[in-house]
Amino acid sequence: GAGVSQSPRYKVAKRGQDVALRCDPISGHVSLFWYQQALGQGPEFLTYFQNEAQLDKSGLPSDRFFAERPEGSVSTLKIQRTQQEDSAVYLCASSLGRMVQPQHFGDGTRLSIL
Amino acid sequence: QKEVEQDPGPLSVPEGAIVSLNCTYSNSAFQYFMWYRQYSRKGPELLMYTYSSGNKEDGRFTAQVDKSSKYISLFIRDSQPSDSATYLCAMKNTGKLIFGQGTTLQVKP
Repeated sequence: GAGVSQSPRYKVAKRGQDVALRCDPISGHVSLFWYQQALGQGPEFLTYFQNEAQLDKSGLPSDRFFAERPEGSVSTLKIQRTQQEDSAVYLCASSLGRMVQPQHFGDGTRLSIL
Repeated sequence: QKEVEQDPGPLSVPEGAIVSLNCTYSNSAFQYFMWYRQYSRKGPELLMYTYSSGNKEDGRFTAQVDKSSKYISLFIRDSQPSDSATYLCAMKNTGKLIFGQGTTLQVKP
């Protein structure tokens, strides 16, 4: 398909484990965003890449959260030493790059921390 | 107070009704305004994308932006059961989107 692809769709982990979430953006999209969506809430910004450069990570809630996009395409969001409050849906979005371009979302990874 | 306020509903209407969804915001720097539709266990799907004040129409959907009042609306005409979903308003100045809480809409046949 031509949309944003995220994997896994569902992830269950025990508290204290590390997890890695993958995002494959739309081909040719320069900008990539990660958002966190709690149950019953709108998505909240985590971090933003333009190509391989992480230009904004102001939304990452703690230093346990780390994101990378080493070749300017696929991105990985890593959460270390997971805690129960990390349970949420993690959404990835991509756009062509200029500020005027809209963001297109994947279906997210639903993370549950036991 | 949140930058973007949206009534979470739920909102229940009969099939064929006109639906009005609204958001208010506090940051006058926002320039781009969007409405996304989100079905259960799916990602947000872009419905409408507008810049500046005014109206934009696309099929049964009309988006309105009033920057002087810091108020945006989405109207759905001839609503269908398939319109049942959560509707998220979103806005931005630079890259990141700021979302409202989302309004849950149910259209009853």
